[in-house]
Amino acid sequence: QSALTQPASVSGSPGQSITISCTGTSSDVGSYNLVSWYQQHPGKAPKLMIYEVSKRSSGVSNRFSGSKSGNTASLTISGLQAEDEADYYCCSYAGSSNWLFGGGTKLTVL
Amino acid sequence: VQLVQSGAEVKKSGASVKVSCKASGYSFTSYYIHWVRQAPGQGLEWMGIINPGAGGTTYAQKFQGRITMTRDTSTSTVFMELSSLTSEDTAVYSCARGRVEMGDDAFDVWGQGTMVTVSP
Repeated sequence: QSALTQPASVSGSPGQSITISCTGTSSDVGSYNLVSWYQQHPGKAPKLMIYEVSKRSSGVSNRFSGSKSGNTASLTISGLQAEDEADYYCCSYAGSSNWLFGGGTKLTVL
Repeated sequence: VQLVQSGAEVKKSGASVKVSCKASGYSFTSYYIHWVRQAPGQGLEWMGIINPGAGGTTYAQKFQGRITMTRDTSTSTVFMELSSLTSEDTAVYSCARGRVEMGDDAFDVWGQGTMVTVSP
């Protein structure tokens, strides 16, 4: 199983909105509403932001939202803030108790 | 709720490493534990899952044959052992808890990570 496909980097100015895509296949993203998103700051453990495609984890700002269409899931961050600068990873259930991560996207806040 | 992992390891190629992950603050046997690794400058890679209650495991195909996950319910600790190490196994290894009891939809609590360095 190959990793899910994410853009290597995205950027935006404070206050703007950005979207990070996560493309899988009909065997993972397309088959299950079990896509999650994680934020990772340098040297830190990943933090769960979104689960089950679009549900925000406890304490996560409503500036973060998730969606899915077909084999592609997306994370949107609105009202960009400097603290949002981090790496973001998507993850999907792939069946038979297996999970797949995306390659990660580095978000730069200009 | 927290997961506390064992300390950094340095191993020779061909050796094995065993990393521990001690859970506290919740019912240990009610939540699955996953292992995820991250090579330097690289992304996250899912390695496998263990059900601490029944002990059942599923491993990513890439690691089958050289990975073993076990648990000790008396100490609420999960272990991940990886054998036949090569330099490509140099990474931070992390345990992560499944978000829902006896189910899985995401990983909500993470250990602090254990750096494993494999030297030639």
